[in-house]
Amino acid sequence: NAGVTQTPKFQVLKTGQSMTLQCAQDMNHNSMYWYRQDPGMGLRLIYYSASEGTTDKGEVPNGYNVSRLNKREFSLRLESAAPSQTSVYFCASSETGGYSEAFFGQGTRLTVV
Amino acid sequence: GQQLNQSPQSMFIQEGEDVSMNCTSSSIFNTWLWYKQDPGEGPVLLIALYKAGELTSNGRLTAQFGITRKDSFLNISASIPSDVGIYFCAGQLGNNNDMRFGAGTRLTVKP
Repeated sequence: NAGVTQTPKFQVLKTGQSMTLQCAQDMNHNSMYWYRQDPGMGLRLIYYSASEGTTDKGEVPNGYNVSRLNKREFSLRLESAAPSQTSVYFCASSETGGYSEAFFGQGTRLTVV
Repeated sequence: GQQLNQSPQSMFIQEGEDVSMNCTSSSIFNTWLWYKQDPGEGPVLLIALYKAGELTSNGRLTAQFGITRKDSFLNISASIPSDVGIYFCAGQLGNNNDMRFGAGTRLTVKP
């Protein structure tokens, strides 16, 4: 009964380093999403993938890239991390493009120093 | 930027009291959703609203989709300690994949 699984749960990077956040879902959902959550800001959509093979920019895509590896997996890459990217990152998935049944992972807490 | 104005930012209430929080926007939304987030966890969907004027309940929770489609409220009746957490409203714009979140209401319930 895993749902949406994110790895790692915590990460500290130095400015300029790169890393990939992994997300996998076992619910056979078509759509997957990456959000960042900052204090007092709610969640902001970075990128989403409506279906396997497609990706689109959300509200705050700059500094990030994504890959929809297959139906299960959707990764988020930071090519050159900056302190402004310190945040909690959430992956989510839903059966359709709508959010009515979106399920979220437990989050990745990223600190860039 | 943030398109949803959620209020209040925080609430401190006594166990057993009722709670009300709301979201307003200058944009028209097709869907309103209410989520709850516990510490260290991802948000969990509480209620989804699809039609203007719709009033939906889920146990002690009641939410309404405003007639103008620019606002929504969430009420919690007879609060209990496990209601503690951050509540987010979210509105879905015309594009199914464009969902905007409010900044959250942090609820504290004192036993």
